Amino acid sequence: EPEVTQTPSHQVTQMGQEVILRCVPISNHLYFYWYRQILGQKVEFLVSFYNNEISEKSEIFDDQFSVERPDGSNFTLKIRSTKLEDSAMYFCASSRQGGGNQPQHFGDGTRLSIL
Amino acid sequence: KNEVEQSPQNLTAQEGEFITINCSYSVGISALHWLQQHPGGGIVSLFMLSSGKKKHGRLIATINIQEKHSSLHITASHPRDSAVYICAVINFGNEKLTFGTGTRLTIIP
Repeated sequence: EPEVTQTPSHQVTQMGQEVILRCVPISNHLYFYWYRQILGQKVEFLVSFYNNEISEKSEIFDDQFSVERPDGSNFTLKIRSTKLEDSAMYFCASSRQGGGNQPQHFGDGTRLSIL
Repeated sequence: KNEVEQSPQNLTAQEGEFITINCSYSVGISALHWLQQHPGGGIVSLFMLSSGKKKHGRLIATINIQEKHSSLHITASHPRDSAVYICAVINFGNEKLTFGTGTRLTIIP
């Protein structure tokens, strides 16, 4: 069964550095998402992406964050000038349709640790 | 903003027991997901439903739209069912999932 794949599985970065988290969504999916989960807390929505643009974003997704689909397969989340509070598990998800019409499929996540 | 509440927060049961996890939400939705999160952190989608009932193997999910409530049932529970079960909803006109805090299920052999 097709899967969403995320790399790396664990990223350790110094505070203030830039980090790029990578995702390969399922190939025929059109809607892409990033979520994060701070240790011990619930999963939170960051951003959704459709037709090469952001369709929805949360208040967490400020100017520090950006997303890109640089080619036909990858979907990336860039965090500029990382802060300690960015330490979390970041999940990528994709779906064939949006608006709750199709299930979202999740990757295994990237654990980001900011030192 | 949709408030998603789950109960119980933690559940420990003996192997073979029938398990029920509950989810309630405050605002009408277009769909509800039940997800399973393993100890390593990965999230697997179990069900997406907008009405009625769905069954997959030993798992059953139901939703009552009028009461804004959903339940996840596990029959003949097994230690491998031990995980965190998360309810998440999509509001009308939105793309994002709003998550509950999860229910940590432990099945003892």
